[in-house]
Amino acid sequence: DVVLTQSPLSLPVTLGQPASISCRASQSLVHRDANTYLHWFQQRPGQSPRRLIYKVSNRDSGVPDRFSGSGSGTDFTLKISRVEAEDVGIYYCMQGTHWPPYTFGQGTKLEIK
Amino acid sequence: EVQLVESGGSLVQPGGSLRLSCAGSGFTFSSNSMKWVRQAPGKGLEWLSYIDGTSTTIYYADSVKGRFTVSRDNDKNSLYLQMNSLRVDDTAVYYCARSSGFDVWGQGTMVTVSS
Repeated sequence: DVVLTQSPLSLPVTLGQPASISCRASQSLVHRDANTYLHWFQQRPGQSPRRLIYKVSNRDSGVPDRFSGSGSGTDFTLKISRVEAEDVGIYYCMQGTHWPPYTFGQGTKLEIK
Repeated sequence: EVQLVESGGSLVQPGGSLRLSCAGSGFTFSSNSMKWVRQAPGKGLEWLSYIDGTSTTIYYADSVKGRFTVSRDNDKNSLYLQMNSLRVDDTAVYYCARSSGFDVWGQGTMVTVSS
């Protein structure tokens, strides 16, 4: 099974400052169809998860452009250019390249400093 | 509006059974694979099962294989999870999610396994 390791697990950020979350996979996430099925999800307190980014770098509809995804192979990053109060929550990466099983990272808790 | 709504969660004793439902609306339900994902209290996300649009291909996580059964009724735009032999560590919020990219999630339904 593919293991996804996120860092940091806790991320205190000052409002208006940037934030970055790393997701490292135990093997390459490049599918034989040449796509990389690495997605990012946000879970605000008391809410269900919401997909932010799909296939590494594609923002979902309605996601602010301060969110961006990048990376390749085994190393991926979610960046928030300027953190806002509504960004508080837990962020998960997930891989859909080598499944079953689909696997998630442990989650990174973003809080306002 | 695309929407998924789970139901059926409750308190059940260890060894008991429960059936969860997930109703889809606002999209062509039969054209989408569906997943179940759970989240134990204070923990991360765990994928449980996959079912394709025609119920031809089904997969389970090892943690629930042999105890949980996923099914769907496309005429009713509904997804189900039959959970048997429930254990205390099955206590979690259970979510359904749409498609291979998990692009839409329901609000979740709470299952508590306790004596």
